[in-house]
Amino acid sequence: SQQGEEDPQALSIQEGENATMNCSYKTSINNLQWYRQNSGRGLVHLILIRSNEREKHSGRLRVTLDTSKKSSSLLITASRAADTASYFCATPANNLFFGTGTRLTVIP
Amino acid sequence: NAGVTQTPKFRVLKTGQSMTLLCAQDMNHEYMYWYRQDPGMGLRLIHYSVGEGTTAKGEVPDGYNVSRLKKQNFLLGLESAAPSQTSVYFCASSGLSSYNEQFFGPGTRLTVL
Repeated sequence: SQQGEEDPQALSIQEGENATMNCSYKTSINNLQWYRQNSGRGLVHLILIRSNEREKHSGRLRVTLDTSKKSSSLLITASRAADTASYFCATPANNLFFGTGTRLTVIP
Repeated sequence: NAGVTQTPKFRVLKTGQSMTLLCAQDMNHEYMYWYRQDPGMGLRLIHYSVGEGTTAKGEVPDGYNVSRLKKQNFLLGLESAAPSQTSVYFCASSGLSSYNEQFFGPGTRLTVL
């Protein structure tokens, strides 16, 4: 399976702190995507990093990709209560393979 | 634009009953997908379509059928529902290829008694 796996499974931090989530995958990839899912909602695409990129920023999000280690990390800086959600990495092939997610709780 | 919509939002079935979940997108996307999400399992792909009139099996296709008669619609059918099909079902679509970002619907919560 090409499925990504996120680590940790759950993360609880204080508002204003940074949150880091990691993703590992098994095979070579074209790109890696991160999604957010608020409770009871569908997934929302956050950021896509291509296999030839090492780092990408979008607002308070920073994503890194290490293809030699088959891993990626998502950093959310200056977290807010509204960032409370589950975060998934996904690796596309013929279709998109999702990990099981990191549940982030930001405490006000 | 409404994006991706799903109907119904909630449904309770008895074992053996049938139903169809409807997904619609107004972004003129070629690719459409049906996933199920279970606690601790992440999202698993049931079936997908790469264009009008085409369908293909995903990771967990057994017990489900799909149809893509119109580009904007993707239907997921359960012919004889089983309790193991209790789940939250998400539809998604993407543009030019499966490597593009996917846009998700709000989900359908299905309970099979």
